[in-house]
Amino acid sequence: DAGITQSPRHKVTETGTPVTLRCHQTENHRYMYWYRQDPGHGLRLIHYSYGVKDTDKGEVSDGYSVSRSKTEDFLLTLESATSSQTSVYFCAISDMGQGKAYGYTFGSGTRLTVV
Amino acid sequence: TQLLEQSPQFLSIQEGENLTVYCNSSSVFSSLQWYRQEPGEGPVLLVTVVTGGEVKKLKRLTFQFGDARKDSSLHITAAQTGDTGLYLCAGAKNTDKLIFGTGTRLQVFP
Repeated sequence: DAGITQSPRHKVTETGTPVTLRCHQTENHRYMYWYRQDPGHGLRLIHYSYGVKDTDKGEVSDGYSVSRSKTEDFLLTLESATSSQTSVYFCAISDMGQGKAYGYTFGSGTRLTVV
Repeated sequence: TQLLEQSPQFLSIQEGENLTVYCNSSSVFSSLQWYRQEPGEGPVLLVTVVTGGEVKKLKRLTFQFGDARKDSSLHITAAQTGDTGLYLCAGAKNTDKLIFGTGTRLQVFP
């Protein structure tokens, strides 16, 4: 199911360093999302985008920024990584907004460890 | 605040048994989706239900959306080891974002 790829798949970084995760789609979908998944918390929305240069915050956006300069790429940046940002990060795409009758397609995830 | 609660959190059963997973909320959703996630991979959409009372079947899996569109259930008949995984419900509230449940981790033993 390629259509959506995340890079890198795994990363170990030091506290205080900047980190950028990339999500690339070939489906030309308008909506793109970044989630983090942690035990006991499920999937929590960090940021999302509803078009090129149009982004909005999710429920856990502190410490994260995003950019979407073209339809196919959505970047998530940790400006100064902290140990609390150790997590598995998932990107998702959606053909239509509102999620009403359209599901998300998820990438395979990036496992980030901040030491 | 977690708007979607799933139960049970963990389920461990033998192959051939039946099981039901519940997804409950005090909020009304315009639609609800179920995903399955395997280790090291992202969630994969199984089904979307949009009408109160709707029942959908996917082979041995039966999904139901509550009449009031606040809850849903997933029933698996004659579970197989291949059903093992994390099951997530997710609700849409006429916004651009889905709200995910806490998940049910299912282990099916041979």
